[in-house]
Order: sequence, then structure tokens, then C-alpha cells
Amino acid sequence: SAVISQKPSRDICQRGTSLTIQCQVDSQVTMMFWYRQQPGQSLTLIATANQGSEATYESGFVIDKFPISRPNLTFSTLTVSNMSPEDSSIYLCSVADSMETDTQYFGPGTRLTVL
Amino acid sequence: GQNIDQPTEMTATEGAIVQINCTYQTSGFNGLFWYQQHAGEAPTFLSYNVLDGLEEKGRFSSFLSRSKGYSYLLLKELQMKDSASYLCAVDSNYQLIWGAGTKLIIKP
Repeated sequence: SAVISQKPSRDICQRGTSLTIQCQVDSQVTMMFWYRQQPGQSLTLIATANQGSEATYESGFVIDKFPISRPNLTFSTLTVSNMSPEDSSIYLCSVADSMETDTQYFGPGTRLTVL
Repeated sequence: GQNIDQPTEMTATEGAIVQINCTYQTSGFNGLFWYQQHAGEAPTFLSYNVLDGLEEKGRFSSFLSRSKGYSYLLLKELQMKDSASYLCAVDSNYQLIWGAGTKLIIKP
């Protein structure tokens, strides 16, 4: 499976600021996803990052709040904009690149705390 | 709607066997996944079932019954390192629908 890295691994931010999270994969992948996982909760899909076009957002998530870039098949960024304490969470990127299954492999996550 | 149910928490003893159940109701079905997630870490892929029956992989096995909308993950010879959350996810029309996860506590 692909090796996925995320930066930063954790950050503490002030209310009203923005943070950009990077996701780098060691091989070209078709699909990249961004998830949020709040403490003790399961995964919530924020959006699918599409290479060369706008991301596809899930219900409850909007581009102004979570702009996403995907300039190529190995890299994507998620920005958490105008942060509030409710945005404190773990943000995970995942990739899928199988012709037969949609198995997703996850990066190590970014733990965000907003004060 | 789309729904996946799994128990919130289970406790088992080191060396024993535990079965974690997952039931689902989804609009489509292209396969079912099990992931393991240790506290503070990302989920890691355990198994994938698309056909009915049992898939065995070492100490871990996963079973699927599509007609019943039911799967289980069977963990044998439990070790302390198996203490983690286990997430069931269904590929419904090529989108993963995630269960809330089952926290497995292993006692010596």
C-alpha cells in the first residue's frame, strides 16, 4: 500500500486563524479523501479531492470553510479557515487506488486544537 | 437512509476469542471493510468482504452475509495489543459509510 504523510502532525491555533494541512503520497493515486474525526467519534468525510478540478464536498461542509487543493496525483491540501474551538479535531487524509476495491489507506492524521 | 450498527464497547480476556458484529442498511453494496484504530492513531485496513462467507487472515477473520446485512470480525488468541477500536465500513455506491466503531478492551 501507499505511504502517506501529513504535515503538521499537530497544531494549536487561535480562533479566527486558518491552518493548511498537507497530505503527500509516495505514489500516484486516483482518489484522495479528507476526513474529520472528533474525540471518541467515527470518521466523517469532508470531501473528495479531485485532481485538476474542484473538490466534491459532503453535506454540511463548504468550500469557503474547507478549501481543498489537489494539484497532482500525489499531493493535496486541506485548509481549515476562520477556525473556532468546534473545529478542534483530528483531520485525516486517505487514498484509494485500486481497480478492484475501494480500500482506503490513511495518513497519520493532524491533531488540531483551536483555542 | 444509510445505517451501520456495531456495539460501542466490548471487553475480552487475553488469549480468548471475541466476535465484533456489524449490521448495515445501505442503498448500495460494493463490499464491507474492517479497520483497526489504536488510540491516537489513524485507522489501518484489516479486511474486505464482497462475497458471502468467511475470509481468514491469521488471527483475524471476517464474515459476511449480504442477505442478512451482517458481518462480523473474529479475533482469536487475543493479545493486549489488540486493544483498539474496530470500525466497520460499507462501500455503498462507491462511497464508504462508516460505523461508529467498537472499542475493544483486553484484560489480562
